[in-house]
Amino acid sequence: EVQLVQSGAEVKKPGESLKISCKGSEYSFTSYWIGWVRQMPGKGLEWMGIIYPGDSDTRYSPSFQGQVTISADKSISTAYLHRSSLKASDTAMYYCVRRGSSFGANFDYWGQGTLVTVSS
Amino acid sequence: EIVLTQSPDFQSVTPKEKVTITCRASQSIGSSLHWYQQKPDQSPKLLIKYASQSISGVPSRFSGSGSGTDFTLTINSLEAEDAATYYCHQSSSLPDTFGQGTKLEIK
Repeated sequence: EVQLVQSGAEVKKPGESLKISCKGSEYSFTSYWIGWVRQMPGKGLEWMGIIYPGDSDTRYSPSFQGQVTISADKSISTAYLHRSSLKASDTAMYYCVRRGSSFGANFDYWGQGTLVTVSS
Repeated sequence: EIVLTQSPDFQSVTPKEKVTITCRASQSIGSSLHWYQQKPDQSPKLLIKYASQSISGVPSRFSGSGSGTDFTLTINSLEAEDAATYYCHQSSSLPDTFGQGTKLEIK
């Protein structure tokens, strides 16, 4: 069964950096896009960006461009979300998602989420 | 950026009732519209893809329709387990966007 397994919850201080991971299994990791979705406490879903591990093609939402870095290591089927200089407003649940390579594809699999808390 | 507007934001419904949630796009997106269900403390789950295509394992009471700018998610004969927040998502053009969500409460 396809799985996306994310790294565990993080508690950080403002100004610290963050890198969370998402490991895919039971499918061809290089043939699907991996995306990241943010959900702030009590709020809706926000698309942050996606990466195609096959060639590292990466796209960002304008809202997150320059604020986060998405990367992938296809040798270990793992994608990453990196954020430097965290703020309290980065407190959120972060989900990785799998997206098909065809036009207009959906997010058919979701990770379990990584809760990030930023507090002094 | 394409804006998706869902209605209603919140609905309180009784079991066995029929529920309709709408999603309107700010410009035409063809059929690149998908629906997700998120229960409390769970990851979202894909319900309907490409506006009307069913997903294996999803109960048949869930259906979708529409194309272009107007889309509908219908839940026939609502069950208590359907209490959740429902989101539409467009992938017609980057950046992908989500609707603001519709929270269903079961009376």
